[in-house]
Amino acid sequence: GQNIDQPTEMTATEGAIVQINCTYQTSGFNGLFWYQQHAGEAPTFLSYNVLDGLEEKGRFSSFLSRSKGYSYLLLKELQMKDSASYLCAVRDAGNMLTFGGGTRLMVKP
Amino acid sequence: NAGVTQTPKFQVLKTGQSMTLQCAQDMNHEYMSWYRQDPGMGLRLIHYSVGAGITDQGEVPNGYNVSRSTTEDFPLRLLSAAPSQTSVYFCASSYSHSGNTIYFGEGSWLTVV
Repeated sequence: GQNIDQPTEMTATEGAIVQINCTYQTSGFNGLFWYQQHAGEAPTFLSYNVLDGLEEKGRFSSFLSRSKGYSYLLLKELQMKDSASYLCAVRDAGNMLTFGGGTRLMVKP
Repeated sequence: NAGVTQTPKFQVLKTGQSMTLQCAQDMNHEYMSWYRQDPGMGLRLIHYSVGAGITDQGEVPNGYNVSRSTTEDFPLRLLSAAPSQTSVYFCASSYSHSGNTIYFGEGSWLTVV
């Protein structure tokens, strides 16, 4: 089975940087995903990591350490529209995708 | 390009009733799946399919049935609705079971009273 942990809620200020952590335990690892989900909407894809290191995509970056079972999503130059839930999901060796409970990020002016 | 289309968006059922949530994708994706999302519990996999004629159980399959007669459609059936099935349901698809881009439908809000 898989176990994925991420903080339930975080608060940050507009223009700042925030890091959302995700730790996981899995029987076989075949990739880690980050999704953004606004209230009442479907999740939208942000990033995919399968190798160790940092993947940068505009204001968003995602980091993976497979040996530590650890990932983080880094959001720079926060905007009010970044207020949303951020979901960490891990795919195991059998290609089953398991989601964490999500981190609700509130961006304040 | 419609992507992943789910219907209905909202539904209220009485305990014991049956219903089908429809899901269709027009991207010729082989892999389709159904998730439910409950507060604080993230998305949990109900059933999935790696191609037409092939389905398998996910983490929480009890009380649900699926079929995959075509590549495009993957309906989810609630056999006898229970209040515990009150949830938001998302259908998702990807090119293959190992695809790194997964597309979600807009969700179906189901309340069982």
